[in-house]
This record gives sequence, C-alpha cells and structure tokens, in this order.
Amino acid sequence: AQSVAQPEDQVNVAEGNPLTVKCTYSVSGNPYLFWYVQYPNRGLQFLLKYITGDNLVKGSYGFEAEFNKSQTSFHLKKPSALVSDSALYFCAVSSNDYKLSFGAGTTVTVRA
Amino acid sequence: ETGVTQTPRHLVMGMTNKKSLKCEQHLGHNAMYWYKQSAKKPLELMFVYNFKEQTENNSVPSRFSPECPNSSHLFLHLHTLQPEDSALYLCASSQELGTGGLTDTQYFGPGTRLTVL
Repeated sequence: AQSVAQPEDQVNVAEGNPLTVKCTYSVSGNPYLFWYVQYPNRGLQFLLKYITGDNLVKGSYGFEAEFNKSQTSFHLKKPSALVSDSALYFCAVSSNDYKLSFGAGTTVTVRA
Repeated sequence: ETGVTQTPRHLVMGMTNKKSLKCEQHLGHNAMYWYKQSAKKPLELMFVYNFKEQTENNSVPSRFSPECPNSSHLFLHLHTLQPEDSALYLCASSQELGTGGLTDTQYFGPGTRLTVL
C-alpha cells in the first residue's frame, strides 16, 4: 500500500516570503514523487517530480522540492512567493507502477 | 494548456438522465485515466486504459461506464447517478503505463464539474 500525507490544509504567507508545502509519504519499494498545482476551475498542472538522482528537484514557476529518504518527505519550496502562487497543491507518490496516490491537498494563500 | 481537453466543462443532470463525458488528448500518449475529485478528499482513480485496453477498474459502480475507442479519446458514460456522485471528474493521460521515469508523468485536463440533482 502507498499513501501521502499533507499535514497542513492551508498555508498562508506574505508575498516575497519563502513558501513551504509539506508532504510525507509511505511506500514499499522505491518512491516516485510528484507535485501538482490546481488553480480554480482548472485541472491539475504538473510542477515537478523525483525519480532518482539528485535529492533537490527543480520544477516549473521557480518551485523546487527536496527528497529526504530518512524522513520520507518531499516538501515543496519556493524562495519568494507570488500572489499568483495562490492555489491548491497536491503531492502524489507511486512505486513501480502507474498508480498515483494523492494527498488531500494544501491550499496556499499568498497575500500582497 | 496541457494538451488534454474535456467536454462539457459543466454538467447538471437528474438521477434518471444519461449523459457522457468526453476527453481528448493531443499528446500522442497511450494511457488514459479517469479520476474523481471531491472536496477535501484525495483524487480517486476510477479507470485506466493502456493502448485502448482497460487495465484498472477501481471498484467503480456500474452506473459509470468508460469507453476508449482509440488512444486519443476517452469517454465516461453516466446513467442513474446519485447526488453523491456530484464532483469534478478529471481525465489524464501519460505516455504509457510504465515503471517510473519520464513515461509516468500524468497530464490532466481541466475537468468536468458534474452536479446530480
């Protein structure tokens, strides 16, 4: 069985401040980890993924995520948040097959 | 845009109606998926097709009937739905079913917001 936990339903930050969205996972075997973002009335947009290699993954729109195997975490980060980053963020995991298990999502609000 | 389109974007139907959701991908992918997204819940995988063959039915009630006539098109036929079926239905595609790597990134359409009265 595989699962993802996003411990924060909401994250609020001021524009220009660092943004972190937390994700922990549970999987048997090697994890393949993904972050998606969903804007209102839109589908999910792929941000980045970790398959293997460097633990720091860089993705779209200035986002990055760090894979930490010992803590089974894959937190999403952005050094300087923008108001336009306000959206719903999903972490997902798969292991050796196509089935993605998603977290419940974290709503990010960036205030001007 | 991700290259995955869905129609209609919004649908209101009664419990006795029959309707269909359509998904089309322009990415040359071979795998397509249906997901259900309900408020405050993780996405639920419903069906998976790989090269037009169904490979996954995640215990979905028979009132939902998928159809995949070719690798570019995916339908979800709806009949005698219940109010609890109201949700956002998302279609996704990926290169093919694989074991990780570049092939496993799923690209999503904008979804169909379904309301069952």
